[in-house]
Amino acid sequence: DIQMTQSPSSLSASVGDRVTITCRASQTITTYLNWFQQKPGKAPNLLIYSASILQRGVPSRFSGSGSGTDFTLTINSLQPEDFATYYCQQSYSTPRTFGQGTKVEIK
Amino acid sequence: QVQLQESGPGLVKPSGTLSLTCAVSGGSISSNNWWVWVRQPPGQGLEWVGEIFHYGSANYNPSLKSRVTISVDKSRNQFSLDLNSVTAADTAVYYCARDSGLSSFDYWGQGTLVTVSS
Repeated sequence: DIQMTQSPSSLSASVGDRVTITCRASQTITTYLNWFQQKPGKAPNLLIYSASILQRGVPSRFSGSGSGTDFTLTINSLQPEDFATYYCQQSYSTPRTFGQGTKVEIK
Repeated sequence: QVQLQESGPGLVKPSGTLSLTCAVSGGSISSNNWWVWVRQPPGQGLEWVGEIFHYGSANYNPSLKSRVTISVDKSRNQFSLDLNSVTAADTAVYYCARDSGLSSFDYWGQGTLVTVSS
C-alpha cells in the first residue's frame, strides 16, 4: 500500500493568512494526488485533482502543486468558511489511501 | 447533477453482517465510472473500503478483503456493500462516492453512521 503522510496534523491561522499543507507519498504517484476538504458532520468535498487542477466551483484561493512524492495545498487569504480538515489522497493505485488529515483551526 | 444516497441499518450486532445500499440518481451507474465505499470511524480519518465498475469488476482494501463484498444492481441504479463478521472496530460513518477517474471522488453521499454493538 502507498502511505500518505500529511503535515502538519493541525494548525492555527487567522482570516486572511496564507496556509500551506504538505503531503508526502511513500513512493512516486506522479500527479495522481487529490485534495479534499471536510467540515464536521459532512462528506468530504473534492477541491483539487491531479495535483493541481481546481475542481469546478472551488474558489481560486485554493491551489495545489507537486509531483512524484511531494505535494502542497495552498490556501491564499484564508476565509472563515475554510476552517475544516483537509485530506490528501492518492489515486495512483489500489487500495486508494488518504493522508491522516490536517485540521485548520481559527487562531 | 449526480446524487448518491446511502441507506441501511444504523445498528449491527457483533459478528453480524453490515449491509448498505447506495442509490444513484441524476446519472447512470453504467457510465464510465467506478463506484466507491469509504468509511470514517468517529473522530478519525478516511479509509477506502473498495470499488466496483458496472460490469461487476471490484477491488477491495486488503485490510478488509476477506470480509467485504461490493455488488451492483443496474436495474435499480444502485450498488451495495456487505461487510461480515463485524466488530466494534467497524463502527464508522460509511460514505458512497463516484470515482470518475481523473477527477477522483467527485460526488459523495451524505454518509450513514453504522454502529456495531450488542
